[in-house]
Amino acid sequence: AQTVTQSQPEMSVQEAETVTLSCTYDTSESDYYLFWYKQPPSRQMILVIRQEAYKQQNATENRFSVNFQKAAKSFSLKISDSQLGDAAMYFCAYRRRNRDDKIIFGKGTRLHILP
Amino acid sequence: NAGVTQTPKFQVLKTGQSMTLQCAQDMNHNSMYWYRQDPGMGLRLIYYSASEGTTDKGEVPNGYNVSRLNKREFSLRLESAAPSQTSVYFCASSYGTVNEQFFGPGTRLTVL
Repeated sequence: AQTVTQSQPEMSVQEAETVTLSCTYDTSESDYYLFWYKQPPSRQMILVIRQEAYKQQNATENRFSVNFQKAAKSFSLKISDSQLGDAAMYFCAYRRRNRDDKIIFGKGTRLHILP
Repeated sequence: NAGVTQTPKFQVLKTGQSMTLQCAQDMNHNSMYWYRQDPGMGLRLIYYSASEGTTDKGEVPNGYNVSRLNKREFSLRLESAAPSQTSVYFCASSYGTVNEQFFGPGTRLTVL
């Protein structure tokens, strides 16, 4: 069975600094998607970034980038130039490609931004 | 374009009461999902519907029923609410097997 593990329940970073959130996953599949979702205090789940497993190039979205290590089954999120609005719960998630079923979520990392 | 909408936003029930959580999407997505979010547990899938007229159990289906009324709407019903069903419920949708899911704003349900 697929699992997603986020080993850091909480993290803090100084405003304008860089922070990396860790995620590992376990799967026997070779083709899948990985995601990072952000959940601010408003509770809304917002997609931050996604990575297709067949692509070797790491995905980037403005200040957000990932370090995807397929062999190690690792998918970390780097936030550069942290801003107060980045404070949220971050969830790493996995989904099998071409299978219309569930996304498997990690338990989340709460990120605090220190002014 | 409202995306995914959920009603109600908040609800308090007594043990044994029933209620239906409503979800609708206007993105012409084929697939819809219901999750629950509990502290320290992340999101867990209750039921999903890959297309109109089909539903399948997820990780935690016990105590719930669902109806895919049409392509737009997917409702979640609690027939006899229990305190263990106190949670935040999210509806989501996606376009078939295309990657990400889009989430509604959630419903906070408390069962006393």
